[in-house]
Amino acid sequence: EAGVAQSPRYKIIEKRQSVAFWCNPISGHATLYWYQQILGQGPKLLIQFQNNGVVDDSQLPKDRFSAERLKGVDSTLKIQPAKLEDSAVYLCASSNGRDVYYEQYFGPGTRLTVT
Amino acid sequence: KQEVTQIPAALSVPEGENLVLNCSFTDSAIYNLQWFRQDPGKGLTSLLLIQSSQREQTSGRLNASLDKSSGRSTLYIAASQPGDSATYLCAVMSGSEKLVFGKGTKLTVNP
Repeated sequence: EAGVAQSPRYKIIEKRQSVAFWCNPISGHATLYWYQQILGQGPKLLIQFQNNGVVDDSQLPKDRFSAERLKGVDSTLKIQPAKLEDSAVYLCASSNGRDVYYEQYFGPGTRLTVT
Repeated sequence: KQEVTQIPAALSVPEGENLVLNCSFTDSAIYNLQWFRQDPGKGLTSLLLIQSSQREQTSGRLNASLDKSSGRSTLYIAASQPGDSATYLCAVMSGSEKLVFGKGTKLTVNP
């Protein structure tokens, strides 16, 4: 079984530029999550999708961040315009929603540096 | 609001030592608790998942316990090896399948 795929793995941009990250979850997983992990911190949930609908986006800075999950499979997370404090690792995770354990499987992450 | 705390923030031990990492959480109404490992520049690897009805889980040299009523979990690593060096994260799931993470414990095992 293939794991969660993310791209790019690394990205360096200047502040005020825009950037997009892509995530492909494990096949058949209905729930997809985006987390932000700032250096020295634990991951923080930004947005959770169930199929292509948003379940929780309470911690997503909606003035600059947006996310979509078309057709309930792949997802993109966009930042526009980026700020210095957006430098972090962005992790995507998925779960199948039927597993009573609700176990989440994580991708390798995208490391964003904003200069 | 659920908060997760991990102690210590960093730990350095000689190879072969047994060690314990601690995790505490403020809201005992959880679905499960997970321990993850994170290597530098990498994603998260799930080590152990304990359901709210369970007391402990074991995998190889790892043993995780859960005391939901007191809001505590421990990760026990037996006979530590240099390859165990990584950051260990504790996370609890309280509702809507949302994970709340601690800041992690950075473990260094010295040869």
